[in-house]
Amino acid sequence: NAGVTQTPKFRILKIGQSMTLQCTQDMNHNYMYWYRQDPGMGLKLIYYSVGAGITDKGEVPNGYNVSRSTTEDFPLRLELAAPSQTSVYFCASRPEGGTDTQYFGPGTRLTVL
Amino acid sequence: AQSVTQLGSHVSVSEGALVLLRCNYSSSVPPYLFWYVQYPNQGLQLLLKYTTGATLVKGINGFEAEFKKSETSFHLTKPSAHMSDAAEYFCAVSELGGSYIPTFGRGTSLIVHP
Repeated sequence: NAGVTQTPKFRILKIGQSMTLQCTQDMNHNYMYWYRQDPGMGLKLIYYSVGAGITDKGEVPNGYNVSRSTTEDFPLRLELAAPSQTSVYFCASRPEGGTDTQYFGPGTRLTVL
Repeated sequence: AQSVTQLGSHVSVSEGALVLLRCNYSSSVPPYLFWYVQYPNQGLQLLLKYTTGATLVKGINGFEAEFKKSETSFHLTKPSAHMSDAAEYFCAVSELGGSYIPTFGRGTSLIVHP
């Protein structure tokens, strides 16, 4: 299994540009998550999904959108990039809730200038 | 509601010394507790977790943690630090009863000196 894969690894955007961060998992996990990580702030949940066709907002959803058309894919869309969105983005998946471990991708480092 | 507090954003130890990373949680129902490790420029990976049963849990790389309900703590320890242990460590809590969103602490950076 490749686990959770994310593309791209690095990206520089100009203010106002748009982009999609890709996340794919091959473990047939129902639950998927998008986090952003800022220095000293831990992980902040952006959006999550409990299955194909079902998504919900996390703690910091403003400026982002997601979709979940398949079990495997959970892309994160930035429509109008702002400097405040400079961060490292992690995608994670989990078989079910509760006791199960989350599996994280390697992250995407995004800089908005 | 659940929350996690990690005491100390940075912990510095000498190689061979005891590692102690502190985590306190708040949960209205029995918690599930996790420690994850993040090496530089990588994603998080599970070190260990407590769900039910034995309160002392052992993880990878010689780490262990003890669930203490009376103290609402889940501190991470390792008897002897190694240079390769230098990383960011995150404590997380999920709740029994259907919460599918774990809450993470802010992380503790472990620095190991030769």
